Amino acid sequence: AQTVTQSQPEMSVQEAETVTLSCTYDTSESNYYLFWYKQPPSRQMILVIRQEAYKQQNATENRFSVNFQKAAKSFSLKISDSQLGDTAMYFCAFMKVAYSGGGADGLTFGKGTHLIIQP
Amino acid sequence: DGGITQSPKYLFRKEGQNVTLSCEQNLNHDAMYWYRQDPGQGLRLIYYSQIVNDFQKGDIAEGYSVSREKKESFPLTVTSAQKNPTAFYLCASSPRPGSLAEQFFGPGTRLTVL
Repeated sequence: AQTVTQSQPEMSVQEAETVTLSCTYDTSESNYYLFWYKQPPSRQMILVIRQEAYKQQNATENRFSVNFQKAAKSFSLKISDSQLGDTAMYFCAFMKVAYSGGGADGLTFGKGTHLIIQP
Repeated sequence: DGGITQSPKYLFRKEGQNVTLSCEQNLNHDAMYWYRQDPGQGLRLIYYSQIVNDFQKGDIAEGYSVSREKKESFPLTVTSAQKNPTAFYLCASSPRPGSLAEQFFGPGTRLTVL
């Protein structure tokens, strides 16, 4: 079984600042996927960014980027030029790769980080 | 518009009653999932289905049951055996199980036991 740990229950930064959310995970799988999901006050889950473990290049999506350190089992999310609309719960999630014949599973989530962007 | 719908948005149940939460998707996705969200706990997997007429238990399946008779539908029944059912329930779907493909989430159902 795998576990995902988010050590920062809450963070608060000023608008336009850069913020980094930490995530570590534990698994015996060699190939897997990692995700960051955002849950604003509406409670709708929204995918922010995703990373394949076998790709060394860090994923980026506009203002969002990750620092993926496979050996350290670390997957942090950096938000640049933070905006008020970034205020939300952020969840780090793990999924193992499914091969033909089975092995698929759901997402394993961390407990989340509540990010507050102050005006 | 394609998407996932969950109903009802709010549900109240008396102790000892079974209750069924609806989840429908028109995205033509093979895989569907149910998660439970409690304050400070993140999301935890209850059940998932990779294909019609097949489903597997997740991490916290005790006290829950599901069916997958149609590709579009994956209802979740919370039985009286579930000791603490008050929570926020999220349904999700993805085109390919166990892949990098995004899981799309519904808006959720808030279940409260009276």
